[in-house]
Amino acid sequence: AQTVTQSQPEMSVQEAETVTLSCTYDTSESDYYLFWYKQPPSRQMILVIRQEAYKQQNATENRFSVNFQKAAKSFSLKISDSQLGDAAMYFCAYRVPYGGATNKLIFGTGTLLAVQP
Amino acid sequence: DVKVTQSSRYLVKRTGEKVFLECVQDMDHENMFWYRQDPGLGLRLIYFSYDVKMKEKGDIPEGYSVSREKKERFSLILESASTNQTSMYLCASSLDTLAGGPGELFFGEGSRLTVL
Repeated sequence: AQTVTQSQPEMSVQEAETVTLSCTYDTSESDYYLFWYKQPPSRQMILVIRQEAYKQQNATENRFSVNFQKAAKSFSLKISDSQLGDAAMYFCAYRVPYGGATNKLIFGTGTLLAVQP
Repeated sequence: DVKVTQSSRYLVKRTGEKVFLECVQDMDHENMFWYRQDPGLGLRLIYFSYDVKMKEKGDIPEGYSVSREKKERFSLILESASTNQTSMYLCASSLDTLAGGPGELFFGEGSRLTVL
């Protein structure tokens, strides 16, 4: 069964600094999607960034980028120039690309990121 | 923008009560999901639906049922609420079809249920 592991329950970063959140996963599939979702306090969860496993190039979205290491089954999120609004719970998630009953996301346990002014 | 609306942000119920959690999406998505979020456990899938009247059990369906009579609405039902069902419940929808898709979920704001 596929699993997603986030080994850092909490992290802290100074405003304007860079922080990296870790995620590892276990799968026997060769094609899949990986996601990072952000859940701000008392607000809805939103997608931060998405990576397709067949793409070797790491995804980037403004200040957010990933380090995707397929062989190591590692998918870390780097936040550059951290802002107070980045404070949130971050979830790593995995999904196979097929349709039907298998198209569900599997989530990690989350990393709570605090941003210090 | 996609909007997923959950009818209640906060609910307090008594043990044994029947509880309905409602979710509506406005983007004609075929797939809808109910997740449960607990500290240290992340999000766990309760049920999902890939079409009207179609449903599939997720990882923790025990004690829950769902209803999808219309495409835009997906309801989670706790037939007889218990204290161990105190949790945050998240509804989501996705653009994916039976053939697949980009996989992104759009979430509601969540319903925090307390069962006394």
